[in-house]
Amino acid sequence: AAGVIQSPRHLIKEKRETATLKCYPIPRHDTVYWYQQGPGQDPQFLISFYEKMQSDKGSIPDRFSAQQFSDYHSELNMSSLELGDSALYFCASSLGGSGGELFFGEGSRLTVL
Amino acid sequence: AQKVTQAQTEISVVEKEDVTLDCVYETRDTTYYLFWYKQPPSGELVFLIRRNSFDEQNEISGRYSWNFQKSTSSFNFTITASQVVDSAVYFCALSEVFSSNTGKLIFGQGTTLQVKP
Repeated sequence: AAGVIQSPRHLIKEKRETATLKCYPIPRHDTVYWYQQGPGQDPQFLISFYEKMQSDKGSIPDRFSAQQFSDYHSELNMSSLELGDSALYFCASSLGGSGGELFFGEGSRLTVL
Repeated sequence: AQKVTQAQTEISVVEKEDVTLDCVYETRDTTYYLFWYKQPPSGELVFLIRRNSFDEQNEISGRYSWNFQKSTSSFNFTITASQVVDSAVYFCALSEVFSSNTGKLIFGQGTTLQVKP
């Protein structure tokens, strides 16, 4: 069965650069979530989209933005990168809202030098 | 406010021992879901179980079992006869149905399990 696809899997950037992560949800899933997991930390919710509209917002820095496109894929844009942005970024998708099982991608590891 | 607490930061056992990972949660919702995820060294999050707040039956899946006790707001996870391949970080998570209309997960801090041969 198709899973959540994230790209790139690994990304290395310099401070103050910009990075874009992409997420392709499971077909027919209408909700996408982004999580950030710092080293030794638990995944922290950043933002979610339902039917291409932002549905919830967590601890996402103003330097970050995201959107969900008409084909339901989502992109997380990160600008003015800082060393502290180095983390594993997970995308998850689900069908419908609350209670639906979240299916996670394998994550994109961002390293900021 | 919603919160998930995994008080055990690290647990080390010898292979074949049983081990229980504790999870305590806080929520205002009467309907919610609880999850356990496994994160091996490779980094992906592996779904283990989802439990509805109305279903307090314990569940067993092979060497894994879960004890959900609403009265104590706990959802503990036991691995029987642990194996080296069980070494990973385990996360307990909560999803609220009413307070969070998106179903986002709130994770605990994680418990690192090391199973030694």
